[in-house]
Amino acid sequence: AQTVTQSQPEMSVQEAETVTLSCTYDTSESNYYLFWYKQPPSRQMILVIRQEAYKQQNATENRFSVNFQKAAKSFSLKISDSQLGDTAMYFCAFMTHNTDKLIFGTGTRLQVFP
Amino acid sequence: GAVVSQHPSRVICKSGTSVKIECRSLDFQATTMFWYRQFPKQSLMLMATSNEGSKATYEQGVEKDKFLINHASLTLSTLTVTSAHPEDSSFYICSARGGAENSPYEQYFGPGTRLTVT
Repeated sequence: AQTVTQSQPEMSVQEAETVTLSCTYDTSESNYYLFWYKQPPSRQMILVIRQEAYKQQNATENRFSVNFQKAAKSFSLKISDSQLGDTAMYFCAFMTHNTDKLIFGTGTRLQVFP
Repeated sequence: GAVVSQHPSRVICKSGTSVKIECRSLDFQATTMFWYRQFPKQSLMLMATSNEGSKATYEQGVEKDKFLINHASLTLSTLTVTSAHPEDSSFYICSARGGAENSPYEQYFGPGTRLTVT
């Protein structure tokens, strides 16, 4: 069975600083996708960044970047120049090409302090 | 693009009644829609997957007779909670996938519906 583990229930960071959220997953599949979603207090799920497993290059979206270590099954999210609006719950998610189902981790609550 | 709406955003119903939640893809045709449930301070749990014109596929442990899903068109899926009880109170989120202009594997999420059963 595929699982996604986020070992940090809560994190905090000062505005303008950098923070890294951890995520590990377990699968025997070779073709899959990884995602980071943000859920602010409004509870609207927002896609932050995605990574195709066949791509070796780490994905980057402005201040957000990932460190994808396929052999270690690790997919961490780095947020640079943290902003107050980054305060949210962050979910790591995994999907195989075959099942089309998103499997979510338990989430990390990030608080950005001024 | 890729906007998904849900209606209602909040609903309160009495125990024993049924409530319907709508999920619409506003600017694309959703070949597949997903329904999730989220308890407070917890993650999203997939309830079922529906494809237009066919029966929904429910996840293990989800009662299909209690949570009726209808994906009648390429832009609308509905979730009906039948004979609701207080333990059904939760946040329900739908997502949709499809559209030639969208990523084939990315899901676009609705804003969610908070259901409270009294």
